[in-house]
Amino acid sequence: DADVTQTPRNRITKTGKRIMLECSQTKGHDRMYWYRQDPGLGLRLIYYSFDVKDINKGEISDGYSVSRQAQAKFSLSLESAIPNQTALYFCATSDLSSGRGGEQFFGPGTRLTVL
Amino acid sequence: RKEVEQDPGPFNVPEGATVAFNCTYSNSASQSFFWYRQDCRKEPKLLMSVYSSGNEDGRFTAQLNRASQYISLLIRDSKLSDSATYLCALPNAGKSTFGDGTTLTVKP
Repeated sequence: DADVTQTPRNRITKTGKRIMLECSQTKGHDRMYWYRQDPGLGLRLIYYSFDVKDINKGEISDGYSVSRQAQAKFSLSLESAIPNQTALYFCATSDLSSGRGGEQFFGPGTRLTVL
Repeated sequence: RKEVEQDPGPFNVPEGATVAFNCTYSNSASQSFFWYRQDCRKEPKLLMSVYSSGNEDGRFTAQLNRASQYISLLIRDSKLSDSATYLCALPNAGKSTFGDGTTLTVKP
């Protein structure tokens, strides 16, 4: 079983719709992250959370919001989707208590298309 | 200057070749570094960690040059299965900054 799961895996929606992407993890990690990846580009951080009560904006948070419902769940919402939010979205987790200084574990990704 | 910059690639090499990628970074205080491998349309997965001067794992060697602020990834005896995009990452304050990746294609 995957340690980090994302749903849905693929989604096609229309401009203006509200979309929620969900991430769950069974690794017991405190830290969770949402990234987007555009073709030919690296990962850009949207939001991150160090624990249930801690939410932080990343470099490209405009147009997105998040909810950390539990240690194991971190959801990303697009309040009103627009075509330039078409991308591959990854959720990731990390656990600094392991002493490894920030290795991240990624979910399989959600491919979102906004028409 | 971007915080993390990678060789733009793509690198196209024959099987058996040795290939090296560089990743330069701007934060001189960085203490640890990671190389991730990403297959097409898949999630990145950790390939190697670098905490001191370097690390070696089979055909893969990662080296750190603090004076020039770059890390390199060397792949010896390239296999077809090494074809992928390689991302370097710098953790900082609980987050990681990723490079844009270098794409490697190993051809028969």
